[in-house]
Amino acid sequence: DSGVTQTPKHLITATGQRVTLRCSPRSGDLSVYWYQQSLDQGLQFLIQYYNGEERAKGNILERFSAQQFPDLHSELNLSSLELGDSALYFCASSPRGSTIEQFFGPGTRLTVL
Amino acid sequence: KNEVEQSPQNLTAQEGEFITINCSYSVGISALHWLQQHPGGGIVSLFMLSSGKKKHGRLIATINIQEKHSSLHITASHPRDSAVYICAVGWDDMNYGGATNKLIFGTGTLLAVQP
Repeated sequence: DSGVTQTPKHLITATGQRVTLRCSPRSGDLSVYWYQQSLDQGLQFLIQYYNGEERAKGNILERFSAQQFPDLHSELNLSSLELGDSALYFCASSPRGSTIEQFFGPGTRLTVL
Repeated sequence: KNEVEQSPQNLTAQEGEFITINCSYSVGISALHWLQQHPGGGIVSLFMLSSGKKKHGRLIATINIQEKHSSLHITASHPRDSAVYICAVGWDDMNYGGATNKLIFGTGTLLAVQP
């Protein structure tokens, strides 16, 4: 158990809908990272937050957004969902933003029908 | 060309065999990570290294910064080692007024260890 929790574990929804994925980092970790793992693209970095502020962006679509709250949990919002958004979404946390081991959550499996 | 390349993509071994998975990268990095992903999907961080060699139990990871190459070795392999092993490289980006650590991932090596 990495100490990082994600909810829900599974999510099935329809095209055009909006969903919110939640991540709670390890106690004391200030950085949260979001990753997408799809069959055709593999694992990709989406976005990082550090102590409530956006720190870095990767291949995140404009339809996606995220935020980190004062209690350090983070939410990833996916809107206008398309079939291609079906994937595993992981979050990871680390104590700082710089080079350091990241601890991964169990992931949320999103299926868009 | 991918920035992180792993080989082999698939590997089948007999229990007890010595296994090597290779990772080559083309970008400058501050650290390289080896991750393990089991069939259920969860990802576990095995190693993070920026130079030399690290050992944890039957797992050994090495990195050669000059050659931009890393290897993950599993000694005395066991069926419970069956998983996808993913190499990821990270670098510190100071453009945000503070460090960040972006990771670029390899496509993974699917390892099956047969009893």
